[in-house]
Amino acid sequence: DGGITQSPKYLFRKEGQNVTLSCEQNLNHDAMYWYRQDPGQGLRLIYYSQIVNDFQKGDIAEGYSVSREKKESFPLTVTSAQKNPTAFYLCASSIGVRDRIILGKLFFGSGTQLSVL
Amino acid sequence: DAKTTQPPSMDCAEGRAANLPCNHSTISGNEYVYWYRQIHSQGPQYIIHGLKNNETNEMASLIITEDRKSSTLILPHATLRDTAVYYCIVGNKLVFGAGTILRVKS
Repeated sequence: DGGITQSPKYLFRKEGQNVTLSCEQNLNHDAMYWYRQDPGQGLRLIYYSQIVNDFQKGDIAEGYSVSREKKESFPLTVTSAQKNPTAFYLCASSIGVRDRIILGKLFFGSGTQLSVL
Repeated sequence: DAKTTQPPSMDCAEGRAANLPCNHSTISGNEYVYWYRQIHSQGPQYIIHGLKNNETNEMASLIITEDRKSSTLILPHATLRDTAVYYCIVGNKLVFGAGTILRVKS
């Protein structure tokens, strides 16, 4: 079955630690995205990638970093510079994106809940 | 950017139709209306999209007004499993607002 896999489901970060959230897709999609969701809120865009080896900052990129070395993978690192990292993180993909407009439907993973110890 | 306005929450009786409104008065002529829903602690799921004409699929119906300034997502026979947050997105942009919390009650 094609889809997006996020891991782990739950993650805990210690003070001053970087943590990496995994996102893999086998939908052959060019575009991938990372969103952050706080309780009772909508989704806020962290980073997105139109194609391999290219990515753009979203609305709340500070304290986060990404890489896109393979089409299938778009890992998100939450760095120690992100002072309030506790949130639900969602990865998504679509066939493409142009000028911040999604081409086609968005497909989401099941999310990673990150908490601070 | 076209903005959307959705009520923060709605209740619906199980088995009845759930009608979720979305206002998008600044929508441009070539912008589609997309609907997604998010069940608690899961990723959002695509439901339906449309441009001008009404659309129906196995999950829902989408009614878009003639002036395209508003739309309504209809779940014809709501079940308890339809309890979720419903997001209306215009222009398929990368922005998800707070959406509407739909509570289906038995």
